Amino acid sequence: QVQLVESGGGEVQPGRSLRLSCAASGFIFSSYGIHWVRQAPGKGLEWVAVISYNGNNIFYADSVKGRFTVSRDNSENTVHLQMNTLRLEDTAVYYCASLIQMLTFWGQGTPVTVSS
Amino acid sequence: SYELTQPPSVSVSPGQTARITCSGDTFPKKYGYWFQQKPGRAPFLLIFKDIERPSGIPERFSGSSSGATVTLTISAVQAEDEAVYYCLSADNSNTPWVFGGGTKLTVL
Repeated sequence: QVQLVESGGGEVQPGRSLRLSCAASGFIFSSYGIHWVRQAPGKGLEWVAVISYNGNNIFYADSVKGRFTVSRDNSENTVHLQMNTLRLEDTAVYYCASLIQMLTFWGQGTPVTVSS
Repeated sequence: SYELTQPPSVSVSPGQTARITCSGDTFPKKYGYWFQQKPGRAPFLLIFKDIERPSGIPERFSGSSSGATVTLTISAVQAEDEAVYYCLSADNSNTPWVFGGGTKLTVL
């Protein structure tokens, strides 16, 4: 079955960097885009970024544009989210997700805490 | 960028029907999706492509669409349905998604 597993979360100081990973299995990874969605404590879901199936199209939310970079390795069935210049407001649980045959699939999330 | 509008809260008594709306210019060009989220858990898909139910979702959860609004209807509400419900606008896995702000369903 489809599985998405995030890793790499943790606590980091403002201005520092963190790299999240999303490992996928159970579907033809190279055929589907992968999204990152985050949820700050007590807040709603916020779409962060998407990378298309072949990596040629990448979109970011305005709140992370210029600081976050998403990439994928189709040989490893993995997507990465490089987060630079982190801010307090980037504190959230980060989910990777995909839309596969019109159904959405989500990972369990990885928490990121930006704190001094 | 698009915005999707949901009511912040809806309250119903057990056994009644709850309706949660989601409005935005992105409909009906893109499909509506509905998720249920309970504390500490990832979002759980209830409705896809406006009206479709994934296997295993009870029939009392239904979706509808009219113009720029999609609606989640929960019939015969149960205490376990108390959660936050989010709508999503999406058409494929390669373009940006837009979420509604979420609706807290309280079962009285």
